[in-house]
Amino acid sequence: AQSVSQHNHHVILSEAASLELGCNYSYGGTVNLFWYVQYPGQHLQLLLKYFSGDPLVKGIKGFEAEFIKSKFSFNLRKPSVQWSDTAEYFCAVTYTNAGKSTFGDGTTLTVKP
Amino acid sequence: EAGVTQFPSHSVIEKGQTVTLRCDPISGHDNLYWYRRVMGKEIKFLLHFVKESKQDESGMPNNRFLAERTGGTYSTLKVQPAELEDSGVYFCASSYKGLLINEQFFGPGTRLTVL
Repeated sequence: AQSVSQHNHHVILSEAASLELGCNYSYGGTVNLFWYVQYPGQHLQLLLKYFSGDPLVKGIKGFEAEFIKSKFSFNLRKPSVQWSDTAEYFCAVTYTNAGKSTFGDGTTLTVKP
Repeated sequence: EAGVTQFPSHSVIEKGQTVTLRCDPISGHDNLYWYRRVMGKEIKFLLHFVKESKQDESGMPNNRFLAERTGGTYSTLKVQPAELEDSGVYFCASSYKGLLINEQFFGPGTRLTVL
């Protein structure tokens, strides 16, 4: 079965610290990869996505992620977090022609001011 | 442009009762998905409509769940009879066209509590 693994369930950082959230997916062929964020009391919203091309993708709010095909990974990074980045982050994979997305468990990020 | 909307935002019912959740996708979006998140676990796929047709219902837990999308616009997800383990947040998402892989836009979710 297709699966997505997020390595950290809860991350606590101070403002200005660097962030890296791990995401690995099970092999299943060609994939499209997403990171979503859910701020407290808000909808899930897309941070960034990878469909093809440059494996380093840049998203909103200074986030970026790198697709490493050989490692089945799509880690999310931000060089300097802010208090407003406190949220839950979800990695998701859509296998080509499948339509549906498979999500990881989510990582709760708490940024201390 | 209005986003994906879901109704109600919260529902508290007793075991054995029936609940119907509604999702209005973004206008013009052919694809409509239902997902569920139970007790802080992963968001799990339930069902995918392309227009009014069920493209994939492999994630539906059992026959107590019935999803419809008459006319290819809004969708309903009915749980009858509800059980305790059905509690969770039910998300709806829509995306633009056919089976092309593209961004899914999520609604705010319906939090269902079964007592």
